Amino acid sequence: SAVISQKPSRDICQRGTSLTIQCQVDSQVTMMFWYRQQPGQSLTLIATANQGSEATYESGFVIDKFPISRPNLTFSTLTVSNMSPEDSSIYLCSVEFVGGAGTFFGQGTRLTVV
Amino acid sequence: SQKIEQNSEALNIQEGKTATLTCNYTNYSPAYLQWYRQDPGRGPVFLLLIRENEKEKRKERLKVTFDTTLKQSLFHITASQPADSATYLCALDEDNQGGKLIFGQGTELSVKP
Repeated sequence: SAVISQKPSRDICQRGTSLTIQCQVDSQVTMMFWYRQQPGQSLTLIATANQGSEATYESGFVIDKFPISRPNLTFSTLTVSNMSPEDSSIYLCSVEFVGGAGTFFGQGTRLTVV
Repeated sequence: SQKIEQNSEALNIQEGKTATLTCNYTNYSPAYLQWYRQDPGRGPVFLLLIRENEKEKRKERLKVTFDTTLKQSLFHITASQPADSATYLCALDEDNQGGKLIFGQGTELSVKP
C-alpha cells in the first residue's frame, strides 16, 4: 500500500469559483485516478490522470469543468471549475500499483458549494 | 449495460454474529473484485482483492468468496464487533486494465452490542 494525502480535506466555496484539490503519493505509481461521490451515492470515476499527457475523461465529465494535471509519478491535481451547488460531493484520488495488489484511495476532499 | 448490485437494505446484526454481504454483477467478466470499507465522510479503505481463479480469500476475521458462474461475491465478517459498523462497497475493474473501478451502491452494516 501507500500513503495517499489529499488537500484540502474539506472546503466550503462560493458558486462560480474554482477549487484545486491536490493528491500526493509517497511512492511512484503508474496509474492515478479521480473519483466523485455525490451525497448518498457510490463512487463514480471522473478521469484517469496520465503522467505527461492529457487526462482521459469518462462519459459525462469534461476537461473544461474538471481540468487535471499530473506533472510526475507521485502528484496530481483536480480542479473543480465554475462551481455550482450540484458539485457538492466528496472528491477522491486513487492509485493502482503494478501487480494488481489493489486500488487505494486518499481520504477524500469534502466540497460544499454555497 | 454493466451493473453491480449490493443488498441495498441496511444490515443489522448482533455483536459476535457473522455478517454476510452480497455483491452480484451482470455483463462483466472481471479478472478480480475488490471490497472496501467506508466510514461517513471518509475515503474507501481497501480490504481484500480476490481474483477470478480464487474461490475464497481470508484476512483475519474477513472472508471473501468469488463465484464467476453465479457472478457473485460474498463478504463475511465473523465475530462481528460494533467497530465493524460501516458501509461496505464491492468494486470491479471496468476493463480489467487496472484502477478504473465501478462500484456497487454499498451495504450499510450496523453491529449492535
